[in-house]
Amino acid sequence: ETGVTQSPTHLIKTRGQQVTLRCSSQSGHNTVSWYQQALGQGPQFIFQYYREEENGRGNFPPRFSGLQFPNYSSELNVNALELDDSALYLCASSPRQDLYGYTFGSGTRLTVV
Amino acid sequence: KNEVEQSPQNLTAQEGEFITINCSYSVGISALHWLQQHPGGGIVSLFMLSSGKKKHGRLIATINIQEKHSSLHITASHPRDSAVYICAVGKGGSEKLVFGKGTKLTVNP
Repeated sequence: ETGVTQSPTHLIKTRGQQVTLRCSSQSGHNTVSWYQQALGQGPQFIFQYYREEENGRGNFPPRFSGLQFPNYSSELNVNALELDDSALYLCASSPRQDLYGYTFGSGTRLTVV
Repeated sequence: KNEVEQSPQNLTAQEGEFITINCSYSVGISALHWLQQHPGGGIVSLFMLSSGKKKHGRLIATINIQEKHSSLHITASHPRDSAVYICAVGKGGSEKLVFGKGTKLTVNP
């Protein structure tokens, strides 16, 4: 399997709800990073997972959490959704931690109403 | 001031024109990426470079480490080149990319 696959592609949630976004890494990639992209802005780093361990975190509150599974797929969980969480969430995988060979998914568009 | 600045923010060109998009950064980096994002949101990696120049088809990317500046050039632009072009840098020893805000390119037929 090639490429990074994200699901769902679009999602509408109500403020206060919880959401789980999924990412399947490209074959052979053991590192996955999650980014949030607000409208008209560049992506902002949320966190990275390397071999199932969190390997770095951006300036996001604890209600943003993640998991990486033994097959290197990953989830992003957001609790207590706020209106400002509305954004495109991008997943990127790479074969090693130094960001070489980054491959991006098409993103999940989350709208919080 | 953002660590990565791109210019221009918006660019409109006629088909066939030569396009240049600029990126300046203020931190030490291990590599610089040029990415293309279409309206659907998916990002495609165009180049990763840490020195010199790379060419792929009609796209050319250059970087000047001393001046902390990179350019993306598109020769013989085409309407299908219309997209947002994003510059992102990987800082040495860091796990993350830092992105510019992007340059929205529109190529008219």
